[in-house]
Amino acid sequence: EPEVTQTPSHQVTQMGQEVILRCVPISNHLYFYWYRQILGQKVEFLVSFYNNEISEKSEIFDDQFSVERPDGSNFTLKIRSTKLEDSAMYFCASSESYAGGYGYTFGSGTRLTVV
Amino acid sequence: KQEVTQIPAALSVPEGENLVLNCSFTDSAIYNLQWFRQDPGKGLTSLLLIQSSQREQTSGRLNASLDKSSGRSTLYIAASQPGDSATYLCAVARLGQNFVFGPGTRLSVLP
Repeated sequence: EPEVTQTPSHQVTQMGQEVILRCVPISNHLYFYWYRQILGQKVEFLVSFYNNEISEKSEIFDDQFSVERPDGSNFTLKIRSTKLEDSAMYFCASSESYAGGYGYTFGSGTRLTVV
Repeated sequence: KQEVTQIPAALSVPEGENLVLNCSFTDSAIYNLQWFRQDPGKGLTSLLLIQSSQREQTSGRLNASLDKSSGRSTLYIAASQPGDSATYLCAVARLGQNFVFGPGTRLSVLP
């Protein structure tokens, strides 16, 4: 069964450093998403991406965050200057249609720890 | 703004019991609802997807129902097993909008 792949599975970074989280969505999917889950809290929407541009973003997704699809397979989330409160599990997801009839497929997540 | 709640927050049952997890949402104009399973420290595994035109979906021992008008969905797990222990999340989406997640129900099935 097709999978969404995320790397790395765990990243530890110092406060103020830049991090890039990587995702390989399912090959025939057109819509891509990043969500995050702070330990013990709800899964929260960050951003959606379609046709090489952001479709929607939440208030969490401020100027410190950016997304990119640098080639035909990868989808990245960059945090420019990490803060302690960015520590969370970050999930990438993809779908054939936007919140459409086929739902989302999520990756296994990247646990980001900012120290 | 869509709000999703799940009851109970946690549930502990002996193996073999049938159980029901509840999900409620405030905006009934949803396009679909998806139930996920999350193991501790792990990703989200899709269990069932119900489109707004459907009333229920079944997969093995799992059955999910949707009542849009009342803003509710239930996930029914038959003959629970210790391997079912996990957190169960429901998420809803309006057409063209992102999924909004509930806080989850943490299930423990005791052998």
